[in-house]
Amino acid sequence: SQQGEEDPQALSIQEGENATMNCSYKTSINNLQWYRQNSGRGLVHLILIRSNEREKHSGRLRVTLDTSKKSSSLLITASRAADTASYFCATGNKAAGNKLTFGGGTRVLVKP
Amino acid sequence: ETGVTQTPRHLVMGMTNKKSLKCEQHLGHNAMYWYKQSAKKPLELMFVYSLEERVENNSVPSRFSPECPNSSHLFLHLHTLQPEDSALYLCASSQDRTAKDTQYFGPGTRLTVL
Repeated sequence: SQQGEEDPQALSIQEGENATMNCSYKTSINNLQWYRQNSGRGLVHLILIRSNEREKHSGRLRVTLDTSKKSSSLLITASRAADTASYFCATGNKAAGNKLTFGGGTRVLVKP
Repeated sequence: ETGVTQTPRHLVMGMTNKKSLKCEQHLGHNAMYWYKQSAKKPLELMFVYSLEERVENNSVPSRFSPECPNSSHLFLHLHTLQPEDSALYLCASSQDRTAKDTQYFGPGTRLTVL
């Protein structure tokens, strides 16, 4: 498997529920970023968490990072229909030449 | 709006055509990127430019030819493409070419090769 894999691949929830998705990676990282992509559009940066941070919040988003397990989670609280999108994690590490490596994404459907 | 624009938004071309994709960033960034996004595959980094110099070419076939005339503009010239090249091509920019920098993406060009 490749650096930055999201789980689950797809998620369907009702509006108002929380959505949780996970990202696992293999090599050591400098930081991990989460991006969102609406259908057929470009990616939009959501949040960056550094390797020395364990948790970060931004509005209804909560990101955790566990470097011992090489995993991160993205929680969207009180989801809205407008949160329907694909969510990608991207890892940055020196071993990869300081470039970002994106995972395959989690497709989230929030039903009204 | 992310400050990164791409034209055209949609492109249909035959295998013998020559076309170009254009990307422009209005953010004063020093690094620009081309990515390919195919169905059911992770985002693939194609090229990286830093201060107008190509610093990465991820084994991309020569039928894709990038050009960066200045730090605000990036082109992807296409010729003799194959149907499997059909994908969403995304341009991005960042302040510098380091992984700690947030990347700002354009809306993409949906390319269909007949």
